[in-house]
Amino acid sequence: KQEVTQIPAALSVPEGENLVLNCSFTDSAIYNLQWFRQDPGKGLTSLLLIQSSQREQTSGRLNASLDKSSGRSTLYIAASQPGDSATYLCAVGLARETSGSRLTFGEGTQLTVNP
Amino acid sequence: DGGITQSPKYLFRKEGQNVTLSCEQNLNHDAMYWYRQDPGQGLRLIYYSQIVNDFQKGDIAEGYSVSREKKESFPLTVTSAQKNPTAFYLCASSIGRGQTQYFGPGTRLLVL
Repeated sequence: KQEVTQIPAALSVPEGENLVLNCSFTDSAIYNLQWFRQDPGKGLTSLLLIQSSQREQTSGRLNASLDKSSGRSTLYIAASQPGDSATYLCAVGLARETSGSRLTFGEGTQLTVNP
Repeated sequence: DGGITQSPKYLFRKEGQNVTLSCEQNLNHDAMYWYRQDPGQGLRLIYYSQIVNDFQKGDIAEGYSVSREKKESFPLTVTSAQKNPTAFYLCASSIGRGQTQYFGPGTRLLVL
């Protein structure tokens, strides 16, 4: 069974700092990996999707990398801003056909960027 | 304006009562999903549907039921058999396998 772990559980940084969030998974036979953002009491917003054949994806100040062989992904946030404060969730899609598009989620990293 | 809507925002359930959570999407997506989120935890998959008139159990389907009679709608019923229903319920959809999932705003279910 796929297990997804995110470290750290919480992170507090001053504004302007570059930071890295970590995600690890136990089954390397993945179809894709997605990073989401969740604000308190809200739904999830998709940030980046990395297909299993890709090594990284970039969107603005965000860069996500994927290393399937080691079962790891990182989300790099450049020049952090208070508006980046949220919980960041990593989710892995399995490669088996019978799994459809189902995702397995980590528990998230709660990020606070202090002005 | 395309997107996913969930209603109601808050729902209260009495003991022994079945309640139904609504999820509608106008994105023309084939696949739809229901997740449950408990405080401080990641999301857990309840049910998913890859196409109309078809759905599969996720990791925690016991005490829940779904239907997929229309492409745009995927309602979730929380039955009286679900003994710990208090949670935040999130609906999502995607074009198909391996594509980005888009989420609704969620329904918070509380037990009276």
